[in-house]
Amino acid sequence: DAGITQSPRHKVTETGTPVTLRCHQTENHRYMYWYRQDPGHGLRLIHYSYGVKDTDKGEVSDGYSVSRSKTEDFLLTLESATSSQTSVYFCAISESTLQELFFGEGSRLTVL
Amino acid sequence: KQEVTQIPAALSVPEGENLVLNCSFTDSAIYNLQWFRQDPGKGLTSLLLIQSSQREQTSGRLNASLDKSSGRSTLYIAASQPGDSATYLCAAPYSGGGADGLTFGKGTHLIIQP
Repeated sequence: DAGITQSPRHKVTETGTPVTLRCHQTENHRYMYWYRQDPGHGLRLIHYSYGVKDTDKGEVSDGYSVSRSKTEDFLLTLESATSSQTSVYFCAISESTLQELFFGEGSRLTVL
Repeated sequence: KQEVTQIPAALSVPEGENLVLNCSFTDSAIYNLQWFRQDPGKGLTSLLLIQSSQREQTSGRLNASLDKSSGRSTLYIAASQPGDSATYLCAAPYSGGGADGLTFGKGTHLIIQP
């Protein structure tokens, strides 16, 4: 299994509070991605990174920011959480665009 | 914008049957296509990656095919087992190069009856 660790795995928070999800990889892969998975919508890309300090927006980036200061860590931040951001968040990594995408176990976030 | 559709959305078959899951995509300028499996409450597990230069890829009882010209891929599961019960997802690159991630279908929820 690819070495991907997401933390926290579960979090309950209140509307308006900031939340940061962490993705840590031990594979030294260049590409890292944050997806959210919701019933009826499937998996949707939030943000991605193609190197240290190189990030870009995905399909559903509003309300989210990311940072990647080290190859192994990719942080997803919700500056002010809303109930619509209740979801399961998955981190994924890939060595190159021609290689397989590997997923973490997910972080379940509930915003009350 | 790439769109991926999977048919059927759900499938229930008796153990031992061979079955085919279908995936279609709108932008055929892709470098590869990937099939995943997801068990309830878990992350996605990569099953097969087919490069655009390949027509088929096999792993054990699984065989995936890719036809770029028609915008279709199929996942064939031979001699199905109860342990194959899961949701199967197909994914294609947002754009040809794939740096901006994959677009996923909504999956086929598969139940293999013992």
